[in-house]
Amino acid sequence: DTAVSQTPKYLVTQMGNDKSIKCEQNLGHDTMYWYKQDSKKFLKIMFSYNNKELIINETVPNRFSPKSPDKAHLNLHINSLELGDSAVYFCASSQDPARTNYGYTFGSGTRLTVV
Amino acid sequence: AQSVTQLGSHVSVSEGALVLLRCNYSSSVPPYLFWYVQYPNQGLQLLLKYTSAATLVKGINGFEAEFKKSETSFHLTKPSAHMSDAAEYFCAVSYSSNTGKLIFGQGTTLQVKP
Repeated sequence: DTAVSQTPKYLVTQMGNDKSIKCEQNLGHDTMYWYKQDSKKFLKIMFSYNNKELIINETVPNRFSPKSPDKAHLNLHINSLELGDSAVYFCASSQDPARTNYGYTFGSGTRLTVV
Repeated sequence: AQSVTQLGSHVSVSEGALVLLRCNYSSSVPPYLFWYVQYPNQGLQLLLKYTSAATLVKGINGFEAEFKKSETSFHLTKPSAHMSDAAEYFCAVSYSSNTGKLIFGQGTTLQVKP
């Protein structure tokens, strides 16, 4: 069983469309994250939820909205997609955020291409 | 601002040679430190982590890293490179907080030549 699974793996869409990326973890972790990896492979945190509560909300356009229906799921919805949104989006999970020494478990990523 | 710097965006070694990937963090308070590896078209996999228990940390695939507080460094090494080690390597830092936020370095591409 995949520990952190993301769907879809690839997503090609036109500018202006709305799309969602889903993430699920079966590790029993309390905290989930969304990271964006740009074309230069730089990773930047976007959001984090701890047990369905938003705890990290970095400077991200309002077009991006995370939703966590339960602690095992964290979805990312993007409105009015722009060319600059093209990137690889990674979901990750970890145990209690205060115990940061455990590190993250990452999903395999969703490559979003906006045309 | 808290940050982590990886010196050298691209490192090339011959198979069997020593691998040294450099990482420095900016903080007077020792953070938690991590090295991750990313193979092409895959997610990141944890190689090893420093959590203040021991300054020399051993990880998977023969990698190890040494925490040096005086140098604010956490360099990754492997005595003998294999072709399969070719990948992107990321150093990351986490400071004591309630968010678990990881800050990543810019990444270093390791090329292994036969």
